[in-house]
Amino acid sequence: DAGITQSPRYKITETGRQVTLMCHQTWSHSYMFWYRQDLGHGLRLIYYSAAADITDKGEVPDGYVVSRSKTENFPLTLESATRSQTSVYFCASSAPKRETQYFGPGTRLLVL
Amino acid sequence: QKEVEQDPGPLSVPEGAIVSLNCTYSNSAFQYFMWYRQYSRKGPELLMYTYSSGNKEDGRFTAQVDKSSKYISLFIRDSQPSDSATYLCAMSAQAGNNRKLIWGLGTSLAVNP
Repeated sequence: DAGITQSPRYKITETGRQVTLMCHQTWSHSYMFWYRQDLGHGLRLIYYSAAADITDKGEVPDGYVVSRSKTENFPLTLESATRSQTSVYFCASSAPKRETQYFGPGTRLLVL
Repeated sequence: QKEVEQDPGPLSVPEGAIVSLNCTYSNSAFQYFMWYRQYSRKGPELLMYTYSSGNKEDGRFTAQVDKSSKYISLFIRDSQPSDSATYLCAMSAQAGNNRKLIWGLGTSLAVNP
């Protein structure tokens, strides 16, 4: 009954470093999403994936890379972290033809 | 102008009060409307889901959609301190097109014992 999990829950890194945030879901949902949540901006979609090996950009994709080799995993990589990427990152998933999304607990990332 | 407008609050009410939370939107194509609740330092969780216009009730929670006014509401009856959270509205235009969820900024609610 794990649902959707994210790791790490907290991460501190330095500018220029590569960081990968992990997301794993046990529902076999085909759709997965990455959001960032910032004060004053709300939830903003970074990338989403409709199925394994199918990904597409969201509202704020610059500086991020995703992959999806398996249905259950959807890692998000910050190739060269910047201070502006300090945020709370949420992974979500949903079933096909369903509008509702289910969220993980989030990863708090601080870029120094 | 944002597609979805939501007053961020904060809203502070005494325990037992009726709470009204609202979102307005500009895109008349929206048909699917959701309310999520987000506790501090947690992920959003789905609270209510409504298709098209009308009301939906679930326990102390009622969701209303008025498409003619482009206005949705969430009512909480007999509010409890455990209802203290941020409430986000989200909406979508097309069935299955769930990458297009458009989010409000969220309203922060505090229910005081």
